[in-house]
Amino acid sequence: ETGVTQSPTHLIKTRGQQVTLRCSSQSGHNTVSWYQQALGQGPQFIFQYYREEENGRGNFPPRFSGLQFPNYSSELNVNALELDDSALYLCASSLDGFQETQYFGPGTRLLVL
Amino acid sequence: GQQLNQSPQSMFIQEGEDVSMNCTSSSIFNTWLWYKQDPGEGPVLLIALYKAGELTSNGRLTAQFGITRKDSFLNISASIPSDVGIYFCAGLSNAGNNRKLIWGLGTSLAVNP
Repeated sequence: ETGVTQSPTHLIKTRGQQVTLRCSSQSGHNTVSWYQQALGQGPQFIFQYYREEENGRGNFPPRFSGLQFPNYSSELNVNALELDDSALYLCASSLDGFQETQYFGPGTRLLVL
Repeated sequence: GQQLNQSPQSMFIQEGEDVSMNCTSSSIFNTWLWYKQDPGEGPVLLIALYKAGELTSNGRLTAQFGITRKDSFLNISASIPSDVGIYFCAGLSNAGNNRKLIWGLGTSLAVNP
């Protein structure tokens, strides 16, 4: 059984740039949720993808967008990066939209300069 | 974004001591979850609570879902060095069709061997 993996592990960007983060879900899971975790804070829910459709969204602007592919892996795209976007981005996979039983990846640490 | 009130913010204890932390919200939740996050890792689910008043144990960990559905606590008995980490509570909100996890700010636990 393959766990949740994320790439890259670390990334440095400058303000105004765009970034794409990737997540491979655990084998057998069809749902991916994305979270932003600023330093010293708890994770904040960005959105969830279930069977390639967005299935819930937190309070993040439209410049945060995502995709889920037929193999259930997912991408998080952030346009027009701002300094406050610096954070750990976590993805979690689960079955059928259930966040109660999700498994997290190790995260991508993004620094925006 | 919305975050739950979690206390204490940090704890430094001796090995063998018991630990208690709690989480409160102004909103009602149908599910309470407790996670542990180690440095460089994503959160790992410790205990899930699904019913008001429910008391659930997982080894040395015990958690309760408050009767008002607005709070929860986690106890760790006979702490050991590997208990070190950040503990998060999270409540699952079912507002409309937008199910999302709301997280606490975390309790950082240090254990002196």
